[in-house]
Amino acid sequence: NAGVTQTPKFRVLKTGQSMTLLCAQDMNHEYMYWYRQDPGMGLRLIHYSVGEGTTAKGEVPDGYNVSRLKKQNFLLGLESAAPSQTSVYFCASSPPFGRGLETQYFGPGTRLLVL
Amino acid sequence: SQQGEEDPQALSIQEGENATMNCSYKTSINNLQWYRQNSGRGLVHLILIRSNEREKHSGRLRVTLDTSKKSSSLLITASRAADTASYFCATDQVDSSYKLIFGSGTRLLVRP
Repeated sequence: NAGVTQTPKFRVLKTGQSMTLLCAQDMNHEYMYWYRQDPGMGLRLIHYSVGEGTTAKGEVPDGYNVSRLKKQNFLLGLESAAPSQTSVYFCASSPPFGRGLETQYFGPGTRLLVL
Repeated sequence: SQQGEEDPQALSIQEGENATMNCSYKTSINNLQWYRQNSGRGLVHLILIRSNEREKHSGRLRVTLDTSKKSSSLLITASRAADTASYFCATDQVDSSYKLIFGSGTRLLVRP
């Protein structure tokens, strides 16, 4: 099993450009998450999904959109990139909460630089 | 806002020593988890302790939870250079379903 994979690993954007980050998981997990991590800080939740076709806002959703058209994929979009979105983005997945299996599995991250 | 806050922010110890990291949180939780992040990598789950548990062990890891003080500690015994990483606590809050709230982490350096 590949676990959680993220594409691309690194990207440089100019202010105003758009891009989509792809997350894929092969563990048949219901829940998926997008986080951002800035230097010296913990993770901040951007958006999450508790099932195919559903999404919800996290702590810092502004400037991002997401889609979960297939259970195994969770896409994060930046419609008009800003320098403040320079960060490392992590995707994670987990089984449903409340069944004793609340562990999250993380991808390797995507480093995004917005100039 | 961050639910879990780790203390200290950074810790430097000699190989073989024990490392203790603390996490405080603000609201009622279902469980608290500890994750490890090596430089430039994603987070890896270490251990989960439920709100009705007080102590849990996994190999060289020992986690305690004090719900009355809303705090947890992670003890790594007989540390190794390979334990050098950042450690994060994450809480599954009672009133906030489906997601974990991560703290800002403790950076641990284990000197050979």
